[in-house]
Amino acid sequence: QQQVRQSPQSLTVWEGETAILNCSYEDSTFNYFPWYQQFPGEGPALLISIRSVSDKKEDGRFTIFFNKREKKLSLHITDSQPGDSATYFCAASEGTGGLSGKLTFGEGTQVTVIS
Amino acid sequence: GALVYQYPRRTICKSGTSMRMECQAVGFQATSVAWYRQSPQKTFELIALSTVNSAIKYEQNFTQEKFPISHPNLSFSSMTVLNAYLEDRGLYLCGARMTSQNTLYFGAGTRLSVL
Repeated sequence: QQQVRQSPQSLTVWEGETAILNCSYEDSTFNYFPWYQQFPGEGPALLISIRSVSDKKEDGRFTIFFNKREKKLSLHITDSQPGDSATYFCAASEGTGGLSGKLTFGEGTQVTVIS
Repeated sequence: GALVYQYPRRTICKSGTSMRMECQAVGFQATSVAWYRQSPQKTFELIALSTVNSAIKYEQNFTQEKFPISHPNLSFSSMTVLNAYLEDRGLYLCGARMTSQNTLYFGAGTRLSVL
């Protein structure tokens, strides 16, 4: 059973548009949700994260919207740039400490920004 | 910022042989390290979670006999893939976590090819 689901699998937007990436999860004990950005040939890099006590987190052009009741969250990339073309992974974990709790990943959304 | 170095970046081994990969945390203390394998389809599988001075916890389908891990101090971890076969191919990622944080910082990975 896939604990973290992402949609769409791939997404193409024009430069300047807003890309919207969706994520949903099953386990209600998940309380920490990082998004990772991965370019070909590289490891995933932390982009932005949110805890379940918040419903929105913004960092520059990247914003997470979180709906705890529906167990859904989304990543919005505003003013998309060609350099944003990458695969984006939604992940989730439980626990508050750094000594335990595994990170469960979604299957990723491949974003292509066309100029 | 937190940096995680993995080496080698790429390796090719003959079927049935073993290879060791290393993970170095720079600029922070990696209290726990998570080893993942990313498939060619980009899905993540957690292999094991290693915490300094605690037993290493392996996920289902992964064993210490196949993927022995060493985590001797707060800046270094290594994992060996023993008796590698085609199904072991993939990108092996080391994610290091700071004390009291949920965030995993990943290295660029070691890409394993098996002939």
